[in-house]
Amino acid sequence: GENVEQHPSTLSVQEGDSAVIKCTYSDSASNYFPWYKQELGKRPQLIIDIRSNVGEKKDQRIAVTLNKTAKHFSLHITETQPEDSAVYFCAASKGWKLQFGAGTQVVVTP
Amino acid sequence: EAQVTQNPRYLITVTGKKLTVTCSQNMNHEYMSWYRQDPGLGLRQIYYSMNVEVTDKGDVPEGYKVSRKEKRNFPLILESPSPNQTSLYFCATRKGVGVGYTFGSGTRLTVV
Repeated sequence: GENVEQHPSTLSVQEGDSAVIKCTYSDSASNYFPWYKQELGKRPQLIIDIRSNVGEKKDQRIAVTLNKTAKHFSLHITETQPEDSAVYFCAASKGWKLQFGAGTQVVVTP
Repeated sequence: EAQVTQNPRYLITVTGKKLTVTCSQNMNHEYMSWYRQDPGLGLRQIYYSMNVEVTDKGDVPEGYKVSRKEKRNFPLILESPSPNQTSLYFCATRKGVGVGYTFGSGTRLTVV
């Protein structure tokens, strides 16, 4: 089955700097890649997603890139703010099955 | 308002005492799923259901049961809970393939 690896497990950044989280997947047939943000004590919420026919997608300060050949995708957060502090999960999907990475704890320090 | 409602939010129970965590959605989604979240392991799928009376095992189904008698409800049943089932549980629904999940608010279960 699909295996998703996510790095790093923790990421500390200064406010205003950029943060990058990287994920790799094993199944080349996966075609949908969502990213979730989970604030402390809250449910995971979808923040951005990308499909396999697109190489990059941007939404304000967040962007996701996909390299199908290398089977990896990344989340980029620019101009980080304290409210970006959370756990971020990547996921890869083929059909109905959605496989999550282990998560990245992002801490933005003022 | 589109919602996935889980109950209870918190539950402390003793080993072996049967319990049920309820999940209800008002979005008319066919696909529903249960995940457990543990530190360092991310979200792991327990069971999923593609429609009424259609359920299947996810990655970590041992010790759990589910049922899908109605489209809106997908309860998670622990017949004989054990301490290794202490975890944070999320119910989630999807409208279709290629779209993201909507998660419930979570149930923090402690088994002593």
